Amino acid sequence: GQNIDQPTEMTATEGAIVQINCTYQTSGFNGLFWYQQHAGEAPTFLSYNVLDGLEEKGRFSSFLSRSKGYSYLLLKELQMKDSASYLCAVRDQTQAGTALIFGKGTTLSVSS
Amino acid sequence: KAGVTQTPRYLIKTRGQQVTLSCSPISGHRSVSWYQQTPGQGLQFLFEYFSETQRNKGNFPGRFSGRQFSNSRSEMNVSTLELGDSALYLCASSLGESSNEQFFGPGTRLTVL
Repeated sequence: GQNIDQPTEMTATEGAIVQINCTYQTSGFNGLFWYQQHAGEAPTFLSYNVLDGLEEKGRFSSFLSRSKGYSYLLLKELQMKDSASYLCAVRDQTQAGTALIFGKGTTLSVSS
Repeated sequence: KAGVTQTPRYLIKTRGQQVTLSCSPISGHRSVSWYQQTPGQGLQFLFEYFSETQRNKGNFPGRFSGRQFSNSRSEMNVSTLELGDSALYLCASSLGESSNEQFFGPGTRLTVL
């Protein structure tokens, strides 16, 4: 079957670093995505990993280990505007096209 | 460059009715995917269209259907609405064949009474 797990909620303070973990089990694998979704808004693309290792993009970094079925999103120098839901998604290689399987999201609350 | 647009933004229907939602992808994008988002289940894939053909389908009943037109605009239809169909319906567009990034529209909030 297909399953993606991530924590439901996390809290952190401004300026801190937070790591959001994601584990996945899929019949095939063709890339892992992280999206950010603010309340009442559409998800926006943050990162994409298809090979093992760390991808860095400004304050955000994403890591992937395909052998462990594991990824994390690292957010540095947290700001209040980073309060949002973070969605981990996997593209299944056994399916054609660009369909994504999403986790239920991690709601991050950043306080001052 | 205009983003993905969805109409209508909000919709209220009653059980048993049907509804049609529309999505216009980013200019030049040929793939349109539809997702249902609910608090309990999160984002769930409905179907994907590429060049007017359904390329992929999620695990939803046959009451959910869609199509894509030659200009890449897509519609999804839900017949015989049920209370559980109340959700945010999101459309995402991408260039196509092996695009990594999907761009989401603002969604249509459907409430079934």
